[in-house]
Amino acid sequence: SAVISQKPSRDICQRGTSLTIQCQVDSQVTMMFWYRQQPGQSLTLIATANQGSEATYESGFVIDKFPISRPNLTFSTLTVSNMSPEDSSIYLCSVDEVGGPVAGYTFGSGTRLTVV
Amino acid sequence: EDQVTQSPEALRLQEGESSSLNCSYTVSGLRGLFWYRQDPGKGPEFLFTLYSAGEEKEKERLKATLTKKESFLHITAPKPEDSATYLCAVRGGSNYKLTFGKGTLLTVNP
Repeated sequence: SAVISQKPSRDICQRGTSLTIQCQVDSQVTMMFWYRQQPGQSLTLIATANQGSEATYESGFVIDKFPISRPNLTFSTLTVSNMSPEDSSIYLCSVDEVGGPVAGYTFGSGTRLTVV
Repeated sequence: EDQVTQSPEALRLQEGESSSLNCSYTVSGLRGLFWYRQDPGKGPEFLFTLYSAGEEKEKERLKATLTKKESFLHITAPKPEDSATYLCAVRGGSNYKLTFGKGTLLTVNP
């Protein structure tokens, strides 16, 4: 399966600042996904990042708050902008390997964000 | 809108005590039901994909089954290392979005 590296693994940030999370995949993938996992809640899809086009955001998530870049087929970034304590969460990058031997979605190890 | 409900929220077993986790779902046009294992501080680890009612898949002490309304993850003779949160997710319709349940926290005591 694809190996996904996320950076940073954790961070503590001041409210009002922004944090950019990086996701690097060891193989070329068409679709990359960004999820949020809040304490006690389900993993929730933020947006789908496609190379060469604008990201597609899910209901409740907007580009101004969560801008995404996808410069090539192995890399994506998610920025959490103008952070508040409510943004404290785990952010996860994922790739679609349903059509391959894995037959599922592979996730990175996540970025644990705490906003103070 | 796709929905996934997992039960129980938490389950505590003795080593060797078999049990099952439940995942109830509603989805428009199921294109896959996925089971994941998540250890603290780590991302979800893929276990199984099921596509149609009646399908079963096994991996070591785990067996996943699927009906038209729910999936079960059966754990046979669990060991302490099986302790983790088990997540269920569905993919439906024409998009690539996974809808997750809140998970079942499994603790296996030695």
